[in-house]
Amino acid sequence: DVKVTQSSRYLVKRTGEKVFLECVQDMDHENMFWYRQDPGLGLRLIYFSYDVKMKEKGDIPEGYSVSREKKERFSLILESASTNQTSMYLCASTNRAGGGNEQFFGPGTRLTVL
Amino acid sequence: AQSVTQLGSHVSVSEGALVLLRCNYSSSVPPYLFWYVQYPNQGLQLLLKYTTGATLVKGINGFEAEFKKSETSFHLTKPSAHMSDAAEYFCAVSDNTDKLIFGTGTRLQVFP
Repeated sequence: DVKVTQSSRYLVKRTGEKVFLECVQDMDHENMFWYRQDPGLGLRLIYFSYDVKMKEKGDIPEGYSVSREKKERFSLILESASTNQTSMYLCASTNRAGGGNEQFFGPGTRLTVL
Repeated sequence: AQSVTQLGSHVSVSEGALVLLRCNYSSSVPPYLFWYVQYPNQGLQLLLKYTTGATLVKGINGFEAEFKKSETSFHLTKPSAHMSDAAEYFCAVSDNTDKLIFGTGTRLQVFP
């Protein structure tokens, strides 16, 4: 069974804290993605990575950074958490295929910033 | 640039009734199209996808969707709704970059 795991299901942090969200996949996928999901807005891409140590900005990268030191792990970092970053964060992975491949999703991390 | 529009943020049907969730897309290249489902407190799961070939695509749990290029649509249907179909459904489009552009989602409620 393919699997994408995320380090926490629920997380509560304070404004200004540095926050790390971890994602691990066991499918040897090249591509990994971080999305945030908000009611009425669907899923929006924050950052993605096509390979180890490689990253590209998505549609809403402001206030976030990422790290991919190993193929199976993709971390999302909130340098200084703010209340408008309260959201559901979803990680996904897929093979590099030039389009058309299914993305496999983790269960999500619901982050609340107080 | 690609985009997806899902008409209706909420759809309610009776158990046994037809389910129709609408999706229209915009793409400057031949698109890859997807429908994902999200059950409460879970991640997204692929229902079905269109890449090339047959325009009527069958997915899991009795769902199907038809790619209509002339209408730029990829509507999701199921002949008979079941209580277990209650969830949020997302349409998505991709080109050849492996990235997905999602619609804003449609929450399906099924009443007994």
